[in-house]
Amino acid sequence: DAGVIQSPRHEVTEMGQEVTLRCKPISGHNSLFWYRQTMMRGLELLIYFNNNVPIDDSGMPEDRFSAKMPNASFSTLKIQPSEPRDSAVYFCASTMTGTGELFFGEGSRLTVL
Amino acid sequence: GESVGLHLPTLSVQEGDNSIINCAYSNSASDYFIWYKQESGKGPQFIIDIRSNMDKRQGQRVTVLLNKTVKHLSLQIAATQPGDSAVYFCAERSGGGADGLTFGKGTHLIIQP
Repeated sequence: DAGVIQSPRHEVTEMGQEVTLRCKPISGHNSLFWYRQTMMRGLELLIYFNNNVPIDDSGMPEDRFSAKMPNASFSTLKIQPSEPRDSAVYFCASTMTGTGELFFGEGSRLTVL
Repeated sequence: GESVGLHLPTLSVQEGDNSIINCAYSNSASDYFIWYKQESGKGPQFIIDIRSNMDKRQGQRVTVLLNKTVKHLSLQIAATQPGDSAVYFCAERSGGGADGLTFGKGTHLIIQP
């Protein structure tokens, strides 16, 4: 079975550029989560969706960050404009609400120069 | 704010020995706890979970203990193997199944040959 699929796996960009990270959740899952991982702050929840609707975006750092889920099989996390402090690994995870375990993708490693 | 944290950032054990990784949590409303394993360059992988109405749960070579009185969670790995080398995270959730997990900072488990 295909797990959570994220793209790109690695991205290097320059400060000020727009970055779009993509996620395909596991088929049948109705909740999707975006996390950011850094050495200093660990895994932080940025935003999560339930049935394609954003439920809690309180973890989104600032207005430069936005996330969408236009349908049950696709979500994007966009950073515009990007800054060096956005460098991190961004994980997408999905689950069926109420089942417990989150299934994580392999992550997108972002480096902003 | 309330948080989940780990006592030890690095734990080194001999191959074949048992290891115990500890985790403290502070949110008394948390009703679900989970341990993840993260290998280098990969996303977190589920190990074992436990709900707050239990104090012990066993899996294959792993046991999770929950002490709600002192808000403490532990992961025991029996007969450690080289493949157990990874960073281990505890995470907690409150508010039902739709909410995201709050992760601790992680413990790096190193298996010595």
